[in-house]
Formats: sequence, C-alpha cells, structure tokens
Amino acid sequence: AQSVTQLDSQVPVFEEAPVELRCNYSSSVSVYLFWYVQYPNQGLQLLLKYLSGSTLVKGINGFEAEFNKSQTSFHLRKPSVHISDTAEYFCAVRESNYQLIWGAGTKLIIKP
Amino acid sequence: GAGVSQSPSNKVTEKGKDVELRCDPISGHTALYWYRQSLGQGLEFLIYFQGNSAPDKSGLPSDRFSAERTGGSVSTLTIQRTQQEDSAVYLCASSAGLNTGELFFGEGSRLTVL
Repeated sequence: AQSVTQLDSQVPVFEEAPVELRCNYSSSVSVYLFWYVQYPNQGLQLLLKYLSGSTLVKGINGFEAEFNKSQTSFHLRKPSVHISDTAEYFCAVRESNYQLIWGAGTKLIIKP
Repeated sequence: GAGVSQSPSNKVTEKGKDVELRCDPISGHTALYWYRQSLGQGLEFLIYFQGNSAPDKSGLPSDRFSAERTGGSVSTLTIQRTQQEDSAVYLCASSAGLNTGELFFGEGSRLTVL
C-alpha cells in the first residue's frame, strides 16, 4: 500500500519569500499525485495534479510542483508567498481507482 | 447545487447522544466520500459510496458509525452513542470519477462531544 510523507508539519516564511513544501510517497510505480489546499474553516480544494506528461505542473494561485520519479517526491513551490496563502496544504497519491492516500498536512504560516 | 453542502456546520452534543450529519454532493457526482479530520491530524478515510452502494466501509471506526446514501445523492453519516473521541470535523467530498483525481469537498461539520 502507498504511504505519503509530508516532512514538515509547519513552515513559517516571510511574506514575498519563496517557499517549498515537501512531499514524498512510497512507491515508484506509476502514480497520480495531487496537492490540495485547506483555507481556515473551509473544505479542501484542488491546487494541482500530476497525471502524466511534463514533470513540472502548474496550479492555481502561482503554485507549482515537480514530480521526481527517482526521488519519489512531489514538492510544492511558490516563488513569492502572500499573506492570503496562509492555509494547510495536503499531498495525496491515488491508491486505487477510487481511493486517495493523504499526507498529514503542512501548515504554511506567513510572517509579515 | 453548485458545490458540496454539509449540515450542520457545527454540532455540540452530550456524550451518549446520537448525531446525524448530512452531505448533499454536487449534482451528477456518483462517488461520495466521508473523511474525519481531528485537530492537528490529516484526513482519515471513513467510507466511500459509488451510487447508493458502499463498496468500502473499511474506515468506519466502530459499529457506532454508519452511513447511507439514497437516490445516488444525499448521504447521512450517523454516529450512535457519541463519545468524546468522536469530536472532529467530518468532511464530505464528491467526485465525478477519480481518473481526474479531483474531489470536491464541503466545508465540513464540526462535531463537539461534551
């Protein structure tokens, strides 16, 4: 079975600084990978996904992620964060034709 | 509706009482999921519906938890004889098909058991 590891439970970063949120998964077989974002007191929404093709995936709000098969990683990046990016970010991998396996989440804390 | 709707948004109950949480998915979405999110934890899978049937109930924590879905639409998650450890946010999500990987989430029902 797949597992997903988000290495940092919290990432504090100054506004306008770059950020990277790390995600590693357990299997190197063909995978579909996702990042979801949860703003305070809201449900989760899809930020971006990798299904196939280019390993650099662009998502909403200026975020991007790079699929690295050899490292089994799918790290999320943004070159310059804004206070509105304060949220919890979840990495997920598709386990079967209906199930996603979720990481524990990373809280992004933006310092003014 | 336009999005996934959950009710109630907040529920405070006494230990031992039963609670019902409702999820109204996006119209036409055949797949429906219930997750539990405890403070500081990730998402814990509870149950998956495809249409009205639940091929995977493996995440239900105990026999106090049950769920049903009628008409391929609205789902109800019932927790009987609530315990304090049931306190959490219960999230519902729906999907047209997981090939695209996109789940659409409601805002959750926050359950507090006193």
